[in-house]
Amino acid sequence: QSALSQPAAQSASPGESLTLSCSGSNRDIGSFNYVSWFQQHPGEAPRVLIYSTYTRASGVSDRFSGSKSGNTASLTISPLHLTDEAVYYCMSYRDDASYVFGSGTSVSVL
Amino acid sequence: QEKLVESGGGVVQPGGSLRLSCAASGFTFTTYAIHWVRQSPGRGLEWVAFAFYDARKTDVADSVKGRFTVSRDNVGSTVSLQMDGLRVEDAGTYFCVKSRFCLGSVCPALETWGRGTLVSVSS
Repeated sequence: QSALSQPAAQSASPGESLTLSCSGSNRDIGSFNYVSWFQQHPGEAPRVLIYSTYTRASGVSDRFSGSKSGNTASLTISPLHLTDEAVYYCMSYRDDASYVFGSGTSVSVL
Repeated sequence: QEKLVESGGGVVQPGGSLRLSCAASGFTFTTYAIHWVRQSPGRGLEWVAFAFYDARKTDVADSVKGRFTVSRDNVGSTVSLQMDGLRVEDAGTYFCVKSRFCLGSVCPALETWGRGTLVSVSS
C-alpha cells in the first residue's frame, strides 16, 4: 500500500480544468515543501512536472501548476489537452529521510 | 544532453543477487545526487536508494535495508545498486534518477530518469 493516497482515476474534457489530489500526513506533505509530480505515458519513464511543491520543471507547460493545503498536495492541469492522458504520480520527502510515492491517478481526456 | 543508462537487470531466483549499474553522461556527475526508484505492477513506484554527490551519504529504503547497497564511482560516473537476498517482491523495473539539487542532505527533485532495467525474481 502506497504511503500517499491518490484517486485511481479521473477524467475531463479537452479545454477543461482538472485537479489531482495527493493526500499524505504531517510526516511528509504537511511538514515539507518537497512534493513532486510526475507524468508517465505507457512504456515510458516518469517525467517530472513539478518539484518543491510549486516549482515547474524546465520545459514543462505553464498549464501545469502545483499547490498544497495542510497534508494534501494538488496538481492542476488547465486547460486540459488530449496529450495529457497519462498516469500522474505524486512524491514527497518524509521525516525518516525516505521518499514516498502515491499510487498514481490515471487521467482520461474524453 | 543529460543521459542515464541502467544495466544489469535479469532473471534471478529468490535469494539470489544482482548488481545494477547506472552510467551517467552529459552533466557534471560529481555535483549531483542519484536515486534508484523501482516500479512494479503490484507496488507502483517505490523509492529504493540514494547516493549523495560525493557518496559521503547513502541511504536505502527500509524494505531493502540489509539486502541492498548503493555506491558510486565519481571517476567512472557510475552508480551501482548491489542487490542480495532478492525476493519475489523486489521484481520490477529499476530506474536511475538524477536529482536537480539538494538542500542539505535532502535531494527531492527527481529530474532526469533513465529508461530502466528489468529485474525478475522467480523460481
